[in-house]
Amino acid sequence: EAGVAQSPRYKIIEKRQSVAFWCNPISGHATLYWYQQILGQGPKLLIQFQNNGVVDDSQLPKDRFSAERLKGVDSTLKIQPAKLEDSAVYLCASSSELDSYQETQYFGPGTRLLVL
Amino acid sequence: AQRVTQPEKLLSVFKGAPVELKCNYSYSGSPELFWYVQYSRQRLQLLLRHISRESIKGFTADLNKGETSFHLKKPFAQEEDSAMYYCALNTNAGKSTFGDGTTLTVKP
Repeated sequence: EAGVAQSPRYKIIEKRQSVAFWCNPISGHATLYWYQQILGQGPKLLIQFQNNGVVDDSQLPKDRFSAERLKGVDSTLKIQPAKLEDSAVYLCASSSELDSYQETQYFGPGTRLLVL
Repeated sequence: AQRVTQPEKLLSVFKGAPVELKCNYSYSGSPELFWYVQYSRQRLQLLLRHISRESIKGFTADLNKGETSFHLKKPFAQEEDSAMYYCALNTNAGKSTFGDGTTLTVKP
């Protein structure tokens, strides 16, 4: 099966600009996750979707970050306006069961964002 | 709130030596625990999970609820085990929390 796809792979922007990332999960996977991974740290969950509904967005900085998953398939994550501290790798992952408690997450290659 | 702690940022062992990567967690409920690995220039992938109780690439991990630990062990490390290892916890609400990772280097 094809893996989780993400684009772009790299992005360089200036602070206060906006940026969007795209993720296409493994076909049939109900749960989709967006993580932020700052250098030297582990992935931090930003938002979790089940189909097209939000399960958890408690760590999403909603004043500047937004995400959607139309039709319960692919997803976009947007930052507007970007800050220097948003420089990180943004990972998308998906898992197959509606009960994500025990399910393995499959990760995409990530998008490396640099904010200047 | 749940938390995962990996106390060692870096771990270096010689080939053939035993290796143990530590993971401690805090969570008031019944967690599901995972180890993920990232090899150089590859994406993050599952190594093993507690519920499967299996050995992958010679690695095992035992959940110790008394000590709230899920340490990863291998009796004889190989050079190809050099990678970044992350311990992760899923709550029964499905929320995932990752540790900050341990970089394992296996020297020849």
